[in-house]
Amino acid sequence: SQQGEEDPQALSIQEGENATMNCSYKTSINNLQWYRQNSGRGLVHLILIRSNEREKHSGRLRVTLDTSKKSSSLLITASRAADTASYFCATEVYGGATNKLIFGTGTLLAVQP
Amino acid sequence: DGGITQSPKYLFRKEGQNVTLSCEQNLNHDAMYWYRQDPGQGLRLIYYSQIVNDFQKGDIAEGYSVSREKKESFPLTVTSAQKNPTAFYLCASSSFWGAGANVLTFGAGSRLTVL
Repeated sequence: SQQGEEDPQALSIQEGENATMNCSYKTSINNLQWYRQNSGRGLVHLILIRSNEREKHSGRLRVTLDTSKKSSSLLITASRAADTASYFCATEVYGGATNKLIFGTGTLLAVQP
Repeated sequence: DGGITQSPKYLFRKEGQNVTLSCEQNLNHDAMYWYRQDPGQGLRLIYYSQIVNDFQKGDIAEGYSVSREKKESFPLTVTSAQKNPTAFYLCASSSFWGAGANVLTFGAGSRLTVL
């Protein structure tokens, strides 16, 4: 079952510009995480924001979380060609004895040099 | 270096054959996972294991089997019962299972193609 949906599906920007991608989800969450995937590779964890947090920063990354709207956004500032990748949000949901991460469909970001 | 090793990176299989994908981690993580990724889709959970000798079905377990005989290893068998096995398979692990933050470390993936 897919919980998160990223928007847009694809984004193309010039180097130096900011990139914003959004994630919407359906149920209450414990935390929301963002991962990056370079083409044909595994995912790499970028940042985690807990349900009681509204904003978090890590280097050039800024994540916001609005639990009332069940949405999150990831902002990458001053983008570089090396930021070209797919970005996935993942929501951690409590389910009794289980505690699973449910991934969205991803945003494909292309940064043109 | 600590990490997760998946093998093989590429695998071709004829219809009707079972294949086993290897996943080994040296991170001393308790929990391990298998995800399937299809083009244009997110990751879907196949199986997960919290401790040795215990594992649970995920959302798409039909046609797959796993074992967890050692903490470091979590192999996935794609059986002939899996109707559409061509996909990119990702193994992951995490050190914390339960209340809190479950951050995953991923392997590089195995691409399975059924001929």
